[in-house]
Amino acid sequence: NAGVMQNPRHLVRRRGQEARLRCSPMKGHSHVYWYRQLPEEGLKFMVYLQKENIIDESGMPKERFSAEFPKEGPSILRIQQVVRGDSAAYFCASSKYEGREQFFGPGTRLTVL
Amino acid sequence: GEDVEQSLFLSVREGDSSVINCTYTDSSSTYLYWYKQEPGAGLQLLTYIFSNMDMKQDQRLTVLLNKKDKHLSLCIADTQTGDSAIYFCAESPLSGNTGKLIFGQGTTLQVKP
Repeated sequence: NAGVMQNPRHLVRRRGQEARLRCSPMKGHSHVYWYRQLPEEGLKFMVYLQKENIIDESGMPKERFSAEFPKEGPSILRIQQVVRGDSAAYFCASSKYEGREQFFGPGTRLTVL
Repeated sequence: GEDVEQSLFLSVREGDSSVINCTYTDSSSTYLYWYKQEPGAGLQLLTYIFSNMDMKQDQRLTVLLNKKDKHLSLCIADTQTGDSAIYFCAESPLSGNTGKLIFGQGTTLQVKP
């Protein structure tokens, strides 16, 4: 049973470009969460999705960030017009039941030049 | 409010016991988690405890919960050099529960041979 998969593992973008981060949850998991980890800090919640629905986006910046979890395919975290402050590790987690036992992917490390 | 605090650093000798402490503020939290993060990697779920329990033991790991003081501890017996990592405490608040986890800033455990 494969774990949570994220790609790419590393992503380099120039200021103003778009970043797309993908997350495939564990098999049988329909709850997906995105977290951001800034250097030397803990993880901060961004958004919680179930299939085709955004349940909680209270941690998402109001502008430039969006997330989706379509009926088919991985969850996508999209960052438009990236700025240097977006440089961070972005982790996806999935769970079988809401809020319980979240299993994390290896993360995508975004560097904005 | 939602806040989780941890001490930043702990150093022990191989073979000793390690105790990593955490305090949280949301008394409605249902589950409390411990995750381990090795350099450049994602988060590994180590163990969790339900809020109506005082203690949970799993091999070398013991979790202690003092709900009155909102204090959580992770005890690692016979600490090994492979235990060197950052340990994150996380709570799952019930209030407005949408499944998100609130993380502490992490405790770096250094194990000296």
